[in-house]
Amino acid sequence: EAGVAQSPRYKIIEKRQSVAFWCNPISGHATLYWYQQILGQGPKLLIQFQNNGVVDDSQLPKDRFSAERLKGVDSTLKIQPAKLEDSAVYLCASSPRENSGRRRETQYFGPGTRLLVL
Amino acid sequence: GDSVTQMEGPVTLSEEAFLTINCTYTATGYPSLFWYVQYPGEGLQLLLKATKADDKGSNKGFEATYRKETTSFHLEKGSVQVSDSAVYFCALRRGVSSGSARQLTFGSGTQLTVLP
Repeated sequence: EAGVAQSPRYKIIEKRQSVAFWCNPISGHATLYWYQQILGQGPKLLIQFQNNGVVDDSQLPKDRFSAERLKGVDSTLKIQPAKLEDSAVYLCASSPRENSGRRRETQYFGPGTRLLVL
Repeated sequence: GDSVTQMEGPVTLSEEAFLTINCTYTATGYPSLFWYVQYPGEGLQLLLKATKADDKGSNKGFEATYRKETTSFHLEKGSVQVSDSAVYFCALRRGVSSGSARQLTFGSGTQLTVLP
């Protein structure tokens, strides 16, 4: 079974530029998550999708971050404009259908996109 | 809100030493508890989990027991190897009855280095 795919793996941009990250979850997984992991910290959830609907985006800085999952499969996360403090690893994860039972709640993570804002 | 507190690192051990990484949590209801591992340059991988009190999760020689009375989920391994060098994250996910989206809340991570 293929894992969660993310691209690009690395990105360097200057502040005030725009950047987009792409994620393709494990086939059949209804739930998709984007996390931000700042160096030395644990991942922090930015947004959670169930199919193509947003379940939780309470920690997404909506003035500059946006995300979509139009067809309920792959997803893009965009930052516009980027700030220095956005330098982090952006992790995508997926899991089977939300609330389908504890046995199916494991989240599977992609390798992440490492962003450096100069 | 939910929170996870992990033992601060970095932790450096010799091969075959005993490992303990402490983890305590604060959450409403009955969360599920997880340990994830992150090897250099890779994404997080689930190491083990426990979904109810007194459950023991185990994998690859690592173990952790869900202790509701002490709100803890300490990670242990009897004999570490060089290949265990990684960052370990404790995490929780609130129970279904707690309502709202059931996101993972992570601790800050503990860097483990095992020397030959």
